[in-house]
Amino acid sequence: GAGVSQSPRYKVAKRGRDVALRCDSISGHVTLYWYRQTLGQGSEVLTYSQSDAQRDKSGRPSGRFSAERPERSVSTLKIQRTEQGDSAVYLCASSLGASWGGGDYEQYFGPGTRLTVT
Amino acid sequence: QKEVEQDPGPLSVPEGAIVSLNCTYSNSAFQYFMWYRQYSRKGPELLMYTYSSGNKEDGRFTAQVDKSSKYISLFIRDSQPSDSATYLCAMSGGSYIPTFGRGTSLIVHP
Repeated sequence: GAGVSQSPRYKVAKRGRDVALRCDSISGHVTLYWYRQTLGQGSEVLTYSQSDAQRDKSGRPSGRFSAERPERSVSTLKIQRTEQGDSAVYLCASSLGASWGGGDYEQYFGPGTRLTVT
Repeated sequence: QKEVEQDPGPLSVPEGAIVSLNCTYSNSAFQYFMWYRQYSRKGPELLMYTYSSGNKEDGRFTAQVDKSSKYISLFIRDSQPSDSATYLCAMSGGSYIPTFGRGTSLIVHP
């Protein structure tokens, strides 16, 4: 079946511009996550949402990052006023449930969007 | 110090070798431990999942958790070139937000 897809796969943005990255998750999955992946820092969660409620990972990121979930299986990560340090792979993931231990913990990842800020 | 430490490698082994991948962590609250495999230009996929301490085996893969030492391992027996990928450890204290290691790049050469 269809997995998690992300678009675009590659994005080049000039410093200071806003960008929007899209994620189409698996139908029926409740929780949706956005991660930033870099060689130096590894994979860090940026934000996640259960159904329609959006929660930000405390302390990270700054107010320049936000996510919207216009449909249950669609999310858009928005980055305002991009900085060179935002260059990374942005991964979207979804899971069937919202808690661990019940078998619905597994996160299914998309292939990522590689963002380069010049 | 990061909560989860993982040597980025690369780790290069010959085909058929036993591979040992490891992570250490500092948060005693972690009780769910996961290993993900990530191929180039793909997203991570869950390989193994372990709750608390102990061993878990799945085919050529064995995951071990030693909570007393805050140390987890993934062993790959009879390694194949198709196992070449980046292996990420991740762990959680019960919330659905795991903390990931940086990943170890594994290269299995024929």
